[in-house]
Amino acid sequence: GNSVTQMEGPVTLSEEAFLTINCTYTATGYPSLFWYVQYPGEGLQLLLKATKADDKGSNKGFEATYRKETTSFHLEKGSVQVSDSAVYFCALRGTGTASKLTFGTGTRLQVTL
Amino acid sequence: GAVVSQHPSWVICKSGTSVKIECRSLDFQATTMFWYRQFPKQSLMLMATSNEGSKATYEQGVEKDKFLINHASLTLSTLTVTSAHPEDSSFYICSAKVAGGSTDTQYFGPGTRLTVL
Repeated sequence: GNSVTQMEGPVTLSEEAFLTINCTYTATGYPSLFWYVQYPGEGLQLLLKATKADDKGSNKGFEATYRKETTSFHLEKGSVQVSDSAVYFCALRGTGTASKLTFGTGTRLQVTL
Repeated sequence: GAVVSQHPSWVICKSGTSVKIECRSLDFQATTMFWYRQFPKQSLMLMATSNEGSKATYEQGVEKDKFLINHASLTLSTLTVTSAHPEDSSFYICSAKVAGGSTDTQYFGPGTRLTVL
């Protein structure tokens, strides 16, 4: 079946540091890949997505590239801010599975001044 | 943007009692809502998909008689945990898909933490 593996947190960074949160997946066919963010007390929000190999999703300074050869979708940001502190979830939607999403365990990011 | 609310945000109940969790789409109509469950340090697991006016579709291994889902209107779905036991303690999250919208667009509620004593 489909699965998503992401790095365990928490990840603690100083403001303006470079962020990478690793995500790898297992799926048959050609899944769509997503990153969701959950700020304290709020629901998950779609951060970015990529629907085919070599696509790069980007939003709010975050980027992730769909790498089929390494089955990865790592999240990156060049300079994090305190306001980026949240839990980040990597997810995939498999082919032929309609709206069903498979999530990773989430990675908590804490950015300090 | 589209907002989904859940009520209550947290609940503590005694073993053997039933608990109802509401999921509402506040500013849009949702023909499809999803219920997830998350254990500590584990991923969100889809429990069931509910479509307005029809029976929910449960994922393999989820007891439909224990987790009753009702989606009676385009803005409300409820999850009732019947005869709750300590092993049902978890974080329950709902999401809603906009009617006629992209299947990639799901709006999530903030979650409900259930603790069964």
